Amino acid sequence: KQEVTQIPAALSVPEGENLVLNCSFTDSAIYNLQWFRQDPGKGLTSLLLIQSSQREQTSGRLNASLDKSSGRSTLYIAASQPGDSATYLCAVSGIQGAQKLVFGQGTRLTINP
Amino acid sequence: SAVISQKPSRDICQRGTSLTIQCQVDSQVTMMFWYRQQPGQSLTLIATANQGSEATYESGFVIDKFPISRPNLTFSTLTVSNMSPEDSSIYLCSVGGGPLGNTIYFGEGSWLTVV
Repeated sequence: KQEVTQIPAALSVPEGENLVLNCSFTDSAIYNLQWFRQDPGKGLTSLLLIQSSQREQTSGRLNASLDKSSGRSTLYIAASQPGDSATYLCAVSGIQGAQKLVFGQGTRLTINP
Repeated sequence: SAVISQKPSRDICQRGTSLTIQCQVDSQVTMMFWYRQQPGQSLTLIATANQGSEATYESGFVIDKFPISRPNLTFSTLTVSNMSPEDSSIYLCSVGGGPLGNTIYFGEGSWLTVV
């Protein structure tokens, strides 16, 4: 059974810092990995999708990497801003039943002005 | 991307009653899913909504408690039956496939509180 773990559970940093959020998964036979953002009282916003054959994806100040063999992904946020404050969720889909997601517990990020 | 509309966005429900949540998407997607997010927890998949046939439920979820319909490629409903306070959660519809490719998109969620 796939298990996804995110470390740290919470992170508070001053504005302008670069930061890394970590995600690990127990079964390397994944179809893809997706990072989401969840604001309080809101649904999920898709940030980046990495296919199992890819090593990284970039969107603006966000860069996500994938090391499938070691079961790890990182989300790098450059030049953090207060508007980046949210909970960040990592989710993986298995080869069978692609697009059915298994989620981590999330990292609650606070960027202090 | 996709525009996903969920109704209701919030509701307070009496113990023992049932509530139906609707999910409407603006494109003909292949996959529709229903997730639950209990307070302070991450998301757990309830079921895959299959167009024109019975939904596929994950371990721990049953049709009698969470009946699901999907009459076409753009619409699905989830009913939470005979509710108890333990059913107080956010219920989220998600979609993917078809014109959306492999990326999964989520609705805003339906926040249910059972009293």
